Amino acid sequence: DVKVTQSSRYLVKRTGEKVFLECVQDMDHENMFWYRQDPGLGLRLIYFSYDVKMKEKGDIPEGYSVSREKKERFSLILESASTNQTSMYLCASSLWDRGNTGELFFGEGSRLTVL
Amino acid sequence: GQNIDQPTEMTATEGAIVQINCTYQTSGFNGLFWYQQHAGEAPTFLSYNVLDGLEEKGRFSSFLSRSKGYSYLLLKELQMKDSASYLCAVLDSNYQLIWGAGTKLIIKP
Repeated sequence: DVKVTQSSRYLVKRTGEKVFLECVQDMDHENMFWYRQDPGLGLRLIYFSYDVKMKEKGDIPEGYSVSREKKERFSLILESASTNQTSMYLCASSLWDRGNTGELFFGEGSRLTVL
Repeated sequence: GQNIDQPTEMTATEGAIVQINCTYQTSGFNGLFWYQQHAGEAPTFLSYNVLDGLEEKGRFSSFLSRSKGYSYLLLKELQMKDSASYLCAVLDSNYQLIWGAGTKLIIKP
């Protein structure tokens, strides 16, 4: 089974703190994604990556950065956390590319609360 | 702009049938996904439609009409474990996924 593992299920941070969310997948997928999920809204894409050291901005990249130094690991960084970044963060991976769409495999999610 | 609409919440009875609708307006179309998400858990893949018609997979079926910008997920013989949110997502012309807000399905005994 494909497994996508997120390092922390629950985090509580203070405004201004730096936050690292780690995601690891074990199926050699090229594509990895970070979403945030808020009540009443669809999943919103923050950043994605199609290859090592490659990153692309999604719909809401402001206030976030990412790192993909190894194929299996995709990290989301909040340089200075703010209360409006309180959310559920979901990491996903896939083999999907142009002409060969495939399903997304999601991690369990990291619920971040910023006080 | 791009938009996916689905009902916020639906209630159904154990053993019955329920249809969850999804309408979309997107820049191009390269397929439509349905995902299931139990409370506090990760979304899991249910179905993918790219051609018009009905795809059946056990108790779950998914229908697509591209000309109408419409899909539905049909769940038969409902079980309590089907209580979950159901997410509709469309792959647009740039192969980006556009997500609906999800439909929370409540199953009553």
